[in-house]
Formats: sequence, structure tokens, C-alpha cells
Amino acid sequence: GEDVEQSLFLSVREGDSSVINCTYTDSSSTYLYWYKQEPGAGLQLLTYIFSNMDMKQDQRLTVLLNKKDKHLSLRIADTQTGDSAIYFCAESTSGAGNQFYFGTGTSLTVIP
Amino acid sequence: EPEVTQTPSHQVTQMGQEVILRCVPISNHLYFYWYRQILGQKVEFLVSFYNNEISEKSEIFDDQFSVERPDGSNFTLKIRSTKLEDSAMYFCASNLQVGQPQHFGDGTRLSIL
Repeated sequence: GEDVEQSLFLSVREGDSSVINCTYTDSSSTYLYWYKQEPGAGLQLLTYIFSNMDMKQDQRLTVLLNKKDKHLSLRIADTQTGDSAIYFCAESTSGAGNQFYFGTGTSLTVIP
Repeated sequence: EPEVTQTPSHQVTQMGQEVILRCVPISNHLYFYWYRQILGQKVEFLVSFYNNEISEKSEIFDDQFSVERPDGSNFTLKIRSTKLEDSAMYFCASNLQVGQPQHFGDGTRLSIL
């Protein structure tokens, strides 16, 4: 099956930028997504990018996609303590079931 | 903003019992999904559902599991004869079209004793 990998932990100081990385294996990915999960909560959609784009910016969030290297990143500018959460990368493919494949999640800790 | 709602938020059940997890997807969405997240592990796909039938299911979704859309609003996951290893967070999701973002509920934490 498809494999989506992320580093497990990231710590940054408040006000700095955070960059969360993700690699995937399926070249038929259609969309790639970033979800945020706070403790005990569900999965909140942050942003997504179509596979034929290479960048998308949404306020403090910038998504970069390197399709050749199958590498996706999420940059959070001016990181705040409220950004502390687990961030999941996910991809959907062109298959009939439209299932999402999730990464392992990156736990972001923002140090005041 | 419309959201996916799941009930209950926490379900505690004795091993061997049946459980039904309930979801109300966003009202105009057509595709429905169940995912599972065992504590500390990845979110794993279980099943997708469209037009009143299963579109795709993972190898996790064996005969112990079933899904149903009993009416125009609910989407349920039934787990028969629960096992300890079924303990997990179960997420429901929905979207309007294939390829569009899936919107997730807050999950049901299932604890099997």
C-alpha cells in the first residue's frame, strides 16, 4: 500500500517558523492534505494542495510540493503556543474508494 | 460551518459485545468513511461508502465490521464480538466529491475491557 512518512517530533520557539515535512510514495496522488489534531480532538483540515501545484499559501501556512521527490512540507510562520498539536500529512489517490493515506503525524511543541 | 458529528464520544464495552458507532455526515455530502486510530499509531482507513454500498474496504475491515446508512442522515459502524485490539479512536468522515477534502468528526474513543 501507499506509504506516507513524517518525522515524529518538532520543537520550535514561539515566534519562529515551523517546517513539517512529509514524504509519500504514490505518484498517482491527486490531492495532498495537512490536518491538525489537538489532544483528544478530531482531525481538523488545515489546507490542501492539488498535485499539479507546487505551492499554496494561506495566511500563516505555506505548503510546498516537490512532486519529483514526492516531498510535501507545511511551513507555519510566527508559530504560536496554540499551534502545538499533531500534524498529519495525508494523500488521496485516484482510486475508486477515495481513501486517504495518513502519515504517522508530527508532534509540534511550541516553547514559549 | 457544517460539521460531521459522532456519538458517543467515548464508549466502554466488554469484550465479546457488539457496539454501534454513530455518525451524522455533512448533509449534502455523498461519500462517507470510517477510519481508526490506535493510540500512538497512524490513522488507518477502514471503509468508504457511496450510493448505499461499500466502495472500498481495507483488510482491517473484516466480517466483524459492517456499515449502514439506515436513514438519510446517519452512518453507522457496527463491530460484532469486540476484541481487546479493537480499542481505538474511530473517526467518521465525509466529502462531496472524490478528491475533495474529507471532513472529520471528533471521533469516538472505543475502550474494550
